[in-house]
Amino acid sequence: DTGVSQNPRHKITKRGQNVTFRCDPISEHNRLYWYRQTLGQGPEFLTYFQNEAQLEKSRLLSDRFSAERPKGSFSTLEIQRTEQGDSAMYLCASSLTGTGNSPLHFGNGTRLTVT
Amino acid sequence: AQSVTQLGSHVSVSEGALVLLRCNYSSSVPPYLFWYVQYPNQGLQLLLKYTTGATLVKGINGFEAEFKKSETSFHLTKPSAHMSDAAEYFCAVRPAKAAGNKLTFGGGTRVLVKP
Repeated sequence: DTGVSQNPRHKITKRGQNVTFRCDPISEHNRLYWYRQTLGQGPEFLTYFQNEAQLEKSRLLSDRFSAERPKGSFSTLEIQRTEQGDSAMYLCASSLTGTGNSPLHFGNGTRLTVT
Repeated sequence: AQSVTQLGSHVSVSEGALVLLRCNYSSSVPPYLFWYVQYPNQGLQLLLKYTTGATLVKGINGFEAEFKKSETSFHLTKPSAHMSDAAEYFCAVRPAKAAGNKLTFGGGTRVLVKP
């Protein structure tokens, strides 16, 4: 178990630019989640995948956001035309499918700063 | 729909004193409940979880939490605080019968431990 890996750890970009983040889940986990966390707040759900299928998207996920998990392994989260309000920590988590009590295992996040 | 309220965004305790972090939830169906800890610039680490069975659950680092259905609470305690307990703590809920393992988090409580 090597844990959930996220890259990059930090990203600074100018408003209007596109950014892409990558998440590598724990290898045997078939569920993968994206959360956003702003300073002083709890994580907010964005979207989740079971294998390659994106099963749920939050209303927080505007049209500028897109997530993929093409082969059911790693996932990418892209933000187009970034805005200052997109500045946050983006957390990825993975879990096993099961009875619902499988905990989420989180990566260390990607901190995005939009200037 | 479910929600989580953590009373007190900041808690200050002396080393060796009791740590008590409060969490109340709202859920239309029986929930699964979780506590996570987050150290600076890191992801979230699972402390403990309640799914079914014994309502007093023990976790890592000497923490425990008690599920009280009548009070819709899941407060986290540790008898004796250590300097290494300084971190942010998040309570999270998931409906037991819901599809997917998506968690809803509270706003977090930051713990400061004074020597």
